[in-house]
Amino acid sequence: KNQVEQSPQSLIILEGKNCTLQCNYTVSPFSNLRWYKQDTGRGPVSLTIMTFSENTKSNGRYTATLDADTKQSSLHITASQLSDSASYICVVSAVPGGYNKLIFGAGTRLAVHP
Amino acid sequence: EAQVTQNPRYLITVTGKKLTVTCSQNMNHEYMSWYRQDPGLGLRQIYYSMNVEVTDKGDVPEGYKVSRKEKRNFPLILESPSPNQTSLYFCASRNWDRGSDTHGYTFGSGTRLTVV
Repeated sequence: KNQVEQSPQSLIILEGKNCTLQCNYTVSPFSNLRWYKQDTGRGPVSLTIMTFSENTKSNGRYTATLDADTKQSSLHITASQLSDSASYICVVSAVPGGYNKLIFGAGTRLAVHP
Repeated sequence: EAQVTQNPRYLITVTGKKLTVTCSQNMNHEYMSWYRQDPGLGLRQIYYSMNVEVTDKGDVPEGYKVSRKEKRNFPLILESPSPNQTSLYFCASRNWDRGSDTHGYTFGSGTRLTVV
């Protein structure tokens, strides 16, 4: 069964600190993995997308890694800001090319406190 | 501004009263999709459309209908809403390219539906 599991479910950190969010997936055939940021009451916004051959991708203070062998990904946030408070969703695309099926994780809710 | 617009943002209705949630995109995207988001669960796909007059069921289509008469619009119809359809709904769109699956999705801001 295609599944995406994220940990932790929630996380509280102090402003300026770094944190790492985890994503494990059992999705086949794998096409790509995406990380989204979802502010409360808003739609998800794309942070990064990585294909099978990529093992790291950065977007400002966000750095995603992918280990396709162990089927794990992480999202590292550097020097956190209050505006980073949001849910972070890991999404795996199940079919290479053509119509792809997105499998969504339940998200990690991050709260950055001053 | 490139965007996906959903209306309404909030809706409270009674069981059995038909309703429509509208979704419109201004990016000339071929692919559009509806998702629902429930606490503790990832987004689940309700219906999707790969182009005008082409729609198909997602993972949780029961109780929903869609139509795609124009490229820009993809309304979600609940003919007889029930309390288990209380949820946060998102519409999304992207370019359709058979040779590539790396196009980004643009999501609407969501519609919070409560059925009492």
